[in-house]
Amino acid sequence: DIQMTQSPSSLSASVGDRVTITCRASQSIRNYLNWYQQKPGKAPKLLIHTASSLQSGVPSRFSGSGSGTDFTLTISSLQPEDFATYYCQQSYSPPWTFGQGTKVEVK
Amino acid sequence: QLQLQESGPGLVKPSETLSLTCTVSGGSISSSSDYWGWIRQPPGKGLEWIGSIFYSGNTYYNPSLKSRVTISVDTSKNQFSLKVSSVTAADTAVYYCARGWRSFDPWGQGTLVTVSS
Repeated sequence: DIQMTQSPSSLSASVGDRVTITCRASQSIRNYLNWYQQKPGKAPKLLIHTASSLQSGVPSRFSGSGSGTDFTLTISSLQPEDFATYYCQQSYSPPWTFGQGTKVEVK
Repeated sequence: QLQLQESGPGLVKPSETLSLTCTVSGGSISSSSDYWGWIRQPPGKGLEWIGSIFYSGNTYYNPSLKSRVTISVDTSKNQFSLKVSSVTAADTAVYYCARGWRSFDPWGQGTLVTVSS
């Protein structure tokens, strides 16, 4: 199985901050990397697929980059509704696997 | 707008079989040539892909669960289902259904299944 490792596990930030979350794969996954946002008690929501393609309806302050083994999710200006847990997921080879999550908390 | 909704018992006894159904509304489960999947999340933990089914019935399972998992589809009811046999406390989780193969969107709201006697 491909292991996905996110960093940091949690971070504290303020509204308006630029936030960056990193995801590393245990082997090259080309650009087969997705990002999800999950709020407490809710299902995950797809934000970005294939590393950098914004899902329809997702605000443009979210962006993704990377290829191979290293990937980044960036929130350009953190909004109150963005405090949540973010997960990466590799879609290169089944079984599909997720990172352990990064919790974005209020500073 | 496509919507998914999980249903099934919230409590299952150890060694028994967990059974859940996902009902798809706002679209046909067989018209879009999509995959349909199950993902679970133990309380306070991360996400684990369980398996997926193509509308035609082809299935793909996570090897870690393959011996205990069955996913099936009922196109006449616009539903697909999950069975996990011989459950233990480690199977306690919120179970989500979702559309997709390489990425999952949309998701159902999730249903908590607790394994306890």
